[in-house]
Amino acid sequence: GESVGLHLPTLSVQEGDNSIINCAYSNSASDYFIWYKQESGKGPQFIIDIRSNMDKRQGQRVTVLLNKTVKHLSLQIAATQPGDSAVYFCAENVYGKLIFGQGTELSVKP
Amino acid sequence: SAVISQKPSRDICQRGTSLTIQCQVDSQVTMMFWYRQQPGQSLTLIATANQGSEATYESGFVIDKFPISRPNLTFSTLTVSNMSPEDSSIYLCSVEDEQGWTEAFFGQGTRLTVV
Repeated sequence: GESVGLHLPTLSVQEGDNSIINCAYSNSASDYFIWYKQESGKGPQFIIDIRSNMDKRQGQRVTVLLNKTVKHLSLQIAATQPGDSAVYFCAENVYGKLIFGQGTELSVKP
Repeated sequence: SAVISQKPSRDICQRGTSLTIQCQVDSQVTMMFWYRQQPGQSLTLIATANQGSEATYESGFVIDKFPISRPNLTFSTLTVSNMSPEDSSIYLCSVEDEQGWTEAFFGQGTRLTVV
């Protein structure tokens, strides 16, 4: 069936470095994508979103890139901080429902 | 953004029993969603709860196992029935934003352990 998946289950970066988290999706009907951050013991928290008619969107320290040709989504975090340590999920909106990817655990070393 | 409260935040239950999880939102929303997150895994949609109609269940989830109520626009419950250890998961409630869009806000989740 249709699915959203992540390339890397874990990512360890040095504080201050940039982080890149990748996501592959397979549903061509997806028109909206969201990145979530989930800290231990908490629900997912919205980070940034992008619509399918865009290929890049920037927020505060975060950038999402969308490549519809290869059905690939990435989240870039600039100057990664210890507070960025969490599990990151991509999700795609398919006919009003969110389908979540596997998740990547980001660990930031001081 | 919506503020979502879930109760209980965690519970340990005996197999064969049932647990009802409550989800309260601080504003009226049309769509409420229930997700399951098994240990170390991603989120899977269980069902969509609409006020005034029966919930819509995703493939692999049935009403007898996960009955849902939606009595008004700010509240919903999910019951996990006849529990087994395989039901040990985090159960999350989410809502769309007040413009009816697509960004979903989540509660903190209910961590269920079945022994």
